[in-house]
Amino acid sequence: LAKTTQPISMDSYEGQEVNITCSHNNIATNDYITWYQQFPSQGPRFIIQGYKTKVTNEVASLFIPADRKSSTLSLPRVSLSDTAVYYCLVGKGQTGANNLFFGTGTRLTVIP
Amino acid sequence: IAGITQAPTSQILAAGRRMTLRCTQDMRHNAMYWYRQDLGLGLRLIHYSNTAGTTGKGEVPDGYSVSRANTDDFPLTLASAVPSQTSVYFCASSDKGGPNNEQFFGPGTRLTVL
Repeated sequence: LAKTTQPISMDSYEGQEVNITCSHNNIATNDYITWYQQFPSQGPRFIIQGYKTKVTNEVASLFIPADRKSSTLSLPRVSLSDTAVYYCLVGKGQTGANNLFFGTGTRLTVIP
Repeated sequence: IAGITQAPTSQILAAGRRMTLRCTQDMRHNAMYWYRQDLGLGLRLIHYSNTAGTTGKGEVPDGYSVSRANTDDFPLTLASAVPSQTSVYFCASSDKGGPNNEQFFGPGTRLTVL
């Protein structure tokens, strides 16, 4: 089962680009990489998902190197409202939920 | 559209009491999940259900039970609550089971066991 390792916390100033890296050395062939965002007193919400190379949506970009043993969530020009905990989730691309490990996430604090 | 609702919002419970946390979704999702979130430990999966009529154990199932009698509801029961079950509980659902599928989370239930 592919568990993940992320930095516990990060600080950034408003307007900067933030990159959060997740290590998943035991990632399997069928595993996808998914990132969630959680604001205080709320449940997590899906941000982005990828399998390889680069994925971009209106919120973030996800960079995955060829060996797929790590991934980087990139948030462009962060604002105060991006202060949240970000979770990297890795698991098999097949039906089955007993391999869901969110871990402790990365607490991002955006400073004015 | 409500999405996922959880009840109660918060509860203080005496140790040894029985408690059921309710979770309902209106998205006709096949899969549902229960997580607990504790400071320093992140989100941990308690139980899950890939489809109505089936359930499975997650990472921390001891002391909890679930049922999935229909598609919409997925109650979590603590048969005899203990203080270590003090936590914030999140219910989630997804179209299909597994981490490849986007999960939608409820607002959470804050439970304190004294």
